[in-house]
Amino acid sequence: DVVMTQSPLSLPVTLGQPASISCRSSQSLVYSDGNTYLNWFQQRPGQSPRRLIYKVSNRDSGVPDRFSGSGSGTDFTLKISRVEAEDVGVYYCMQTTHWPPITFGQGTRLEIK
Amino acid sequence: EVQLVESGGGLVQPGGSLRLSCAASDFTFSTYWMTWVRQAPGKGLEWVADIKPDGSEKYYVDSVKGRFTISRDNAKNSLYLQMHSLRAEDTAVYYCVRGQWGDYWGQGTLVTVSS
Repeated sequence: DVVMTQSPLSLPVTLGQPASISCRSSQSLVYSDGNTYLNWFQQRPGQSPRRLIYKVSNRDSGVPDRFSGSGSGTDFTLKISRVEAEDVGVYYCMQTTHWPPITFGQGTRLEIK
Repeated sequence: EVQLVESGGGLVQPGGSLRLSCAASDFTFSTYWMTWVRQAPGKGLEWVADIKPDGSEKYYVDSVKGRFTISRDNAKNSLYLQMHSLRAEDTAVYYCVRGQWGDYWGQGTLVTVSS
């Protein structure tokens, strides 16, 4: 199974400052079709997860453009250009390249300093 | 707007059974893979199972193989998870998710396995 490792696990950020979350996979997430199936999710307190980014860098509809995804192979990053109060929550990366099983990172808890 | 509404959770004793349902609406259910993901209290997300649009292929995480069965009824736009031989470690919120890429999630239903 592919192991997804996120860092940091806790991320205190000052409002208006940038934030960055790393996600590393135990093997390359490039699929035989050339795509990389790495997604990012946000889970606000008390809510269901919400997908932010799919296939490394594609923002979902309605997701603010302060969120961006990048990376390749085994190393991926979610960046928030300027953190707002509504960004508080836990962020997860997820891979579906080497399925089954689909695997998630442990989650990164973003809080406001 | 796509909607996924789970039901069927509750308190069950260890060794017991439970059947979760997910009612889907506002999309062509019969053309999508569907997935169950769970989240134990205070923990992260864990993929449980998924099923092909026509129900011909099903996949499970190792910890539930032989105990859980995923199924669907495309005529009723519904997804199911039949759970047997439940253990304390199955306690979690169970989410119904559209597709394998997770673009839409339900609100979840809580399953508590305890005596």
